[in-house]
Amino acid sequence: GQNIDQPTEMTATEGAIVQINCTYQTSGFNGLFWYQQHAGEAPTFLSYNVLDGLEEKGRFSSFLSRSKGYSYLLLKELQMKDSASYLCAVRDSNYQLIWGAGTKLIIKP
Amino acid sequence: TAGITQAPTSQILAAGRSMTLRCTQDMRHNAMYWYRQDLGLGLRLIHYSNTAGTTGKGEVPDGYSVSRANTDDFPLTLASAVPSQTSVYFCASSDSSETEAFFGQGTRLTVV
Repeated sequence: GQNIDQPTEMTATEGAIVQINCTYQTSGFNGLFWYQQHAGEAPTFLSYNVLDGLEEKGRFSSFLSRSKGYSYLLLKELQMKDSASYLCAVRDSNYQLIWGAGTKLIIKP
Repeated sequence: TAGITQAPTSQILAAGRSMTLRCTQDMRHNAMYWYRQDLGLGLRLIHYSNTAGTTGKGEVPDGYSVSRANTDDFPLTLASAVPSQTSVYFCASSDSSETEAFFGQGTRLTVV
């Protein structure tokens, strides 16, 4: 079967750096997405990786290793507003998105 | 900017009743999707449509039906609701199956 694994919950301090890992086993690979979802709101797109390596976008970076079935989302200079769930999703060979359950990130002052 | 709009925002529905969740987008996106999100689980695809006039089944299609008469609208119908269909439903759209999806604000449905 297809599987996306992420930690259920993480805690970090305002101003610090946090890395959220995602491992996947899917039938085919056509890209990996990270979304942010604040409580009670819709997911919003953060990043997309299809080739190995690091994609940087402001305070957020996303890394992909296709050979290891592994990605991480790196958040720098954490702010209280970064408290949210972070969803990892992989597009499979049928171009359908397979979603992880999400990582709830708690930021403490 | 409207983007993608869902209605209603929330609903309590008696078991056995039918209901249609509405979804409209004004971005002229070809692809549209319906997901359900349950606590502790990832988003699960119910049905999708890659273009107007076509639909396909996702991971959890049973008990749900969709139609795509035009580009903008993608309603989801529950023919006879059951308590296990209690969930938050998200409609999403994307320019194609290869680009990121944009989500509506969600419909919180409780079946009692």
